[in-house]
Amino acid sequence: DAKTTQPPSMDCAEGRAANLPCNHSTISGNEYVYWYRQIHSQGPQYIIHGLKNNETNEMASLIITEDRKSSTLILPHATLRDTAVYYCIVRVAKGAQKLVFGQGTRLTINP
Amino acid sequence: GAVVSQHPSRVICKSGTSVKIECRSLDFQATTMFWYRQFPKQSLMLMATSNEGSKATYEQGVEKDKFLINHASLTLSTLTVTSAHPEDSSFYICSANPPASYEQYFGPGTRLTVT
Repeated sequence: DAKTTQPPSMDCAEGRAANLPCNHSTISGNEYVYWYRQIHSQGPQYIIHGLKNNETNEMASLIITEDRKSSTLILPHATLRDTAVYYCIVRVAKGAQKLVFGQGTRLTINP
Repeated sequence: GAVVSQHPSRVICKSGTSVKIECRSLDFQATTMFWYRQFPKQSLMLMATSNEGSKATYEQGVEKDKFLINHASLTLSTLTVTSAHPEDSSFYICSANPPASYEQYFGPGTRLTVT
């Protein structure tokens, strides 16, 4: 079973920041928080991951609470192409580990 | 970033026939690859872990004799759906990790339709 909980759907206006929450209250000390997204009829795409510090890359920012029981993925300036299902996954960091997908959040960016 | 390809992207087959789907890591070697299945409006479900040079590890409820996995080289894993039935129609996706990488890369998926 997936170890994360996400809202099933969210809407965001184009150009605004999209903030996607994720609860992972049972996360272990050696588990990272990963975010992937899946655009319709494509394979999932890696976005970002983190352990306990906030992370930022060219796609998004990841904010992890101090107790690590929840996190928020931030798309700073959402575009229509960011419409996708976003998956929050916890897993150990390196190596070939299987990913357990929950239902994710269906994010719709509106013009 | 690393690239994983799948072939074919779409396939239609008749009930009772077998279909082979290929998954290739194009610019890295992968001792382990993963096969997922996704039904419409559902999440990805892991089917099996493909191990180079050894038997695949199947998830509970996945029939190993029906979904044959072969990982004959460090860049290629194949999934063969044997005696396909309409209920096997789905989106099949593979993934792989470059060595010592934090990221898992996914193929573009193969849409199988069994008529």
